[in-house]
Amino acid sequence: NAGVMQNPRHLVRRRGQEARLRCSPMKGHSHVYWYRQLPEEGLKFMVYLQKENIIDESGMPKERFSAEFPKEGPSILRIQQVVRGDSAAYFCASSPPGIAGGDTQYFGPGTRLTVL
Amino acid sequence: GIQVEQSPPDLILQEGANSTLRCNFSDSVNNLQWFHQNPWGQLINLFYIPSGTKQNGRLSATTVATERYSLLYISSSQTTDSGVYFCAVVSSGTYKYIFGTGTRLKVLA
Repeated sequence: NAGVMQNPRHLVRRRGQEARLRCSPMKGHSHVYWYRQLPEEGLKFMVYLQKENIIDESGMPKERFSAEFPKEGPSILRIQQVVRGDSAAYFCASSPPGIAGGDTQYFGPGTRLTVL
Repeated sequence: GIQVEQSPPDLILQEGANSTLRCNFSDSVNNLQWFHQNPWGQLINLFYIPSGTKQNGRLSATTVATERYSLLYISSSQTTDSGVYFCAVVSSGTYKYIFGTGTRLKVLA
C-alpha cells in the first residue's frame, strides 16, 4: 500500500508565477489535510478537505491560496502570484474515512517551494 | 486554542547516550503523534500514542493524557537519530494537528 504521494518534491518559481502542488492520499483515504512549514518552525494547519468539499480552510491565507480535492485525481494546493514569503515546505496528510480527528494522519514527503 | 510545548528545545548527545524528550499540552486531546524530521526534511511518523506506552526498537513513548504530557525516550542514540522531533496533537472535538516547536537533536560520533 503506497503512502501519501506528493509532487513535485521541489518547485522553484519566480515572483508572480503560479505554484501547483499535488497530493495523492493513501488508497482508501478520503480526508486530506495541508500543512505549511516555514524555515525553522513547526508545521501549521492550512486546510482540510474531503472529496469535492472544503471542510475547513481557516489556516489558509485569504488571498492567492486555494485548494481542491476533486472526485477524481489528486488534491491540489494552488498559490497564485507567489511572493518570497511563500517559500516553505508544504506537507499533505491523509486519513481514512470516519470521524475526522479520530485516526492517525499519514504525512507525505512534502513539496519544497522556493520563490526567487 | 490548545498550546503544545516541547522541551528541551535543543539537545546535543554523544553517541550511545540516552535521552528523554517531553511534550506538554494545555487541553484534552484525541490524538497525539511523535515525528522525526530528518536533516533532509522528511517527516517520519514514530508513534501514534494518544495514551499509554509503546515501544519500537530503541525508541519508546508514553502519554499520560490525564496529566497532559507525553515523553519520547531514545536509548543508545546514534548519529542517524539527529534531526528535529515534533509532537503533534489533535484537540478533542477537532481534527487538525497542532505541532509543537520541536526538539532539535544532534548526536555526535
